[in-house]
Amino acid sequence: GAGVSQTPSNKVTEKGKYVELRCDPISGHTALYWYRQSLGQGPEFLIYFQGTGAADDSGLPNDRFFAVRPEGSVSTLKIQRTERGDSAVYLCASSLNDRANEQFFGPGTRLTVL
Amino acid sequence: LAKTTQPISMDSYEGQEVNITCSHNNIATNDYITWYQQFPSQGPRFIIQGYKTKVTNEVASLFIPADRKSSTLSLPRVSLSDTAVYYCLVGDPLENAGNMLTFGGGTRLMVKP
Repeated sequence: GAGVSQTPSNKVTEKGKYVELRCDPISGHTALYWYRQSLGQGPEFLIYFQGTGAADDSGLPNDRFFAVRPEGSVSTLKIQRTERGDSAVYLCASSLNDRANEQFFGPGTRLTVL
Repeated sequence: LAKTTQPISMDSYEGQEVNITCSHNNIATNDYITWYQQFPSQGPRFIIQGYKTKVTNEVASLFIPADRKSSTLSLPRVSLSDTAVYYCLVGDPLENAGNMLTFGGGTRLMVKP
């Protein structure tokens, strides 16, 4: 079956611009996670959704970052007033239920802020 | 919050068994230990999860001593395609919050011919 997909695969933007990154989880997975990964480091947790609601957004670095999942499936990570330090690979994962026993990751979106 | 410590890197040769140890001295009673593998330009992939003693699947084995303060991921007869970064995570899957989802720096395994 289809895995987690993320679009776009690459995004180049200029400092100060607004970007949206999309994640399509595996069908039927109720939990969805966003991570950010910088070069040479492990993924850094950003936010976790259970259904439509954000169950834990403690990893969002500041109020320029926001994510939604209005229908409990597709999620969009939104970054306002992008900064060069936001450049990273943004990973999305989903899991079958609210127990993070096994997360299935997408290929990520590489964001470059010039 | 159970912090994990892993070697930064390891080298091995094809056909050898590789053991990667993760230290988690302040693991909590309800915490599980989960290992992920990540290849370049891909998202991490779940390998194995365990709570105590030994867990084995078609890919790897996970050894957890009685005190649970460490765990060892064992990869039998590695091949070049096992070259990747391996992450150890510790947390309570029922909590499913940031503490379960902390990847750390991982161990970079290089398998040589």
